[in-house]
Parts: sequence; C-alpha cells; structure tokens
Amino acid sequence: AQSVTQPDIHITVSEGASLELRCNYSYGATPYLFWYVQSPGQGLQLLLKYFSGDTLVQGIKGFEAEFKRSQSSFNLRKPSVHWSDAAEYFCAVGAGTNAGKSTFGDGTTLTVKP
Amino acid sequence: DAGITQSPRHKVTETGTPVTLRCHQTENHRYMYWYRQDPGHGLRLIHYSYGVKDTDKGEVSDGYSVSRSKTEDFLLTLESATSSQTSVYFCAISESLGLAGGVKTQYFGPGTRLLVL
Repeated sequence: AQSVTQPDIHITVSEGASLELRCNYSYGATPYLFWYVQSPGQGLQLLLKYFSGDTLVQGIKGFEAEFKRSQSSFNLRKPSVHWSDAAEYFCAVGAGTNAGKSTFGDGTTLTVKP
Repeated sequence: DAGITQSPRHKVTETGTPVTLRCHQTENHRYMYWYRQDPGHGLRLIHYSYGVKDTDKGEVSDGYSVSRSKTEDFLLTLESATSSQTSVYFCAISESLGLAGGVKTQYFGPGTRLLVL
C-alpha cells in the first residue's frame, strides 16, 4: 500500500527566508507525486506534480520540488517566502494508472513571521 | 479555476438523519472523487467514480454511498449520519492527460462543512 509522511506538522519561517517542506513516500513502483496548498477555508490548489522525466519540478507561485528516488522523497522548496504563502501544504502520491486515487500526507502548516 | 461546485457549503444535521452532498462539474471530466478532511489526517478517499454509474470504494467508505447518474453530478449520501462523520468534505475531478498509463491531475472543489450533532 502507498503512504505519505510529512514529518513536520508545523513550520515557522521569517518572510524572505528560504523554505523546505519535507515529504517521504512509500510506493512499490514509480510514483506520481503532487504538492497542494490549502488556505484557510479553501479547497486544495495544485502547486506542482511529478510524473516522470526531470526530477526537479517547477510549480506555481515560485515553488519547486525535487524527486529523489534513493531517498523516497519529494521535498518542496521556495527560495524566498512571502507572507501570502502562509497556508497548509499537502504532499500526495498517486497510484499507477489512476493517479487520482491519491494518498495524502497529514499536512504541514506554514506560518510566516514578518 | 476548474468548474467545480459543491452544495451545500455548510450543513448542520442530527445523528441518525440521512444527508446528501452534491458535487457538480462543468468540465466534462470522467473521474470524480469524494474525500473527507479531518485534523491530523489529511484527506482520505471515501468513494470515487470512473464514469456514469461506475463507482468504487475508497479507504473510508463505511457509512457512505454514492451515485452518479450524469457526468456532471456526483452525490455523496450519509445513510444515517453519526458524529464521527463531522468533517469537511471535498469533491475532486480529474481527466486523463493522454500519457501512457493514463496519468491524471485532480482539481478540488471548495468543500462542504458538515456538523453532525
């Protein structure tokens, strides 16, 4: 069975600082990986996805993520955080031909200090 | 934004009553999903549909049923609501990107907050 672990429940960074959110997955084959962001009271918005090819994936809002097969990781990064990035972030892994049947991590809440 | 609406957006009901949540899409996507979101649990798949009248269970399907009589509508029914079903419910849709293996990306609706007293 597939699973996703987001080790950090809550992260606080200062505005302008760099950010890295961790995601580790367990899956028997090549995974389909996603990062979503959720603002309070809102639905989930797709930030980026990895299906195959280049292991460094660029997304919206200046985010990027790197797929590392050897470490079973798909960490999300941003070089300079803005106050509007404060939200909850979810990593997800999709199974096989139906990546829509995704398994989500429990989420990481990002707080941005002025 | 993908054309996904959910209704109602908020609902309060009593234990033992049936509740139906509706997801409506204007994208003509084949796949539709119902998730629930609870603190500390991320999103968990309840049921999904891969076409009209074609549905299957997810990991937390007990106490829920679904129906899809039209491409655009996917209904989630709590047959007899319990307090443990208090949650935020999200609908999602997806389509094939046309790649080998049929990889798909999901788009989420705004959610329905359900409180079962």
